[in-house]
Amino acid sequence: NAGVMQNPRHLVRRRGQEARLRCSPMKGHSHVYWYRQLPEEGLKFMVYLQKENIIDESGMPKERFSAEFPKEGPSILRIQQVVRGDSAAYFCASSPTTAFGTEAFFGQGTRLTVV
Amino acid sequence: KQEVTQIPAALSVPEGENLVLNCSFTDSAIYNLQWFRQDPGKGLTSLLLIQSSQREQTSGRLNASLDKSSGRSTLYIAASQPGDSATYLCAVSTDKLIFGTGTRLQVFP
Repeated sequence: NAGVMQNPRHLVRRRGQEARLRCSPMKGHSHVYWYRQLPEEGLKFMVYLQKENIIDESGMPKERFSAEFPKEGPSILRIQQVVRGDSAAYFCASSPTTAFGTEAFFGQGTRLTVV
Repeated sequence: KQEVTQIPAALSVPEGENLVLNCSFTDSAIYNLQWFRQDPGKGLTSLLLIQSSQREQTSGRLNASLDKSSGRSTLYIAASQPGDSATYLCAVSTDKLIFGTGTRLQVFP
């Protein structure tokens, strides 16, 4: 059973471009969470999704950021018109059923650098 | 609003010492508490999970305790080794995981 898979591991974008980050949860997990870690800071919650539904997006910036978790395929975190301040490590976690009553499993992260 | 604090922020010790890392949280209404390890430039590795009804969990040289009523958890590392050098994060589970700021540990030979 593979763990949570994120790709790409490293992503470089120029200011104004779009960044698409992918997360495939563990097999049997239908709940996905995205976190952002700025340099030298802790992990901040961004969004919680179940298949085809956004459950909690209270940590998402109001503009340029969106997330989806379609019925088929990975969860996608999309950042439009990236700016230097978006440079960070983005981590995805998954859980099998309800929100975090069980152990959370994290991917290796995608490190986004905006130049 | 749940807030999670970890002290100390950084710790440097010689090999062989026993260590205690502290985590405190403001709202005791949690499902569980997890301790993670993060190596530089890497992802998070889950170390221990304590359910809200439990008092402690042990794995090898690691022991984590939970006092939900006082909003505290400790991670005890016995006989530290250079390979233990990493950042240690605690996180409490409500409807999502809320992370502390981490303790950066360096164990030198």
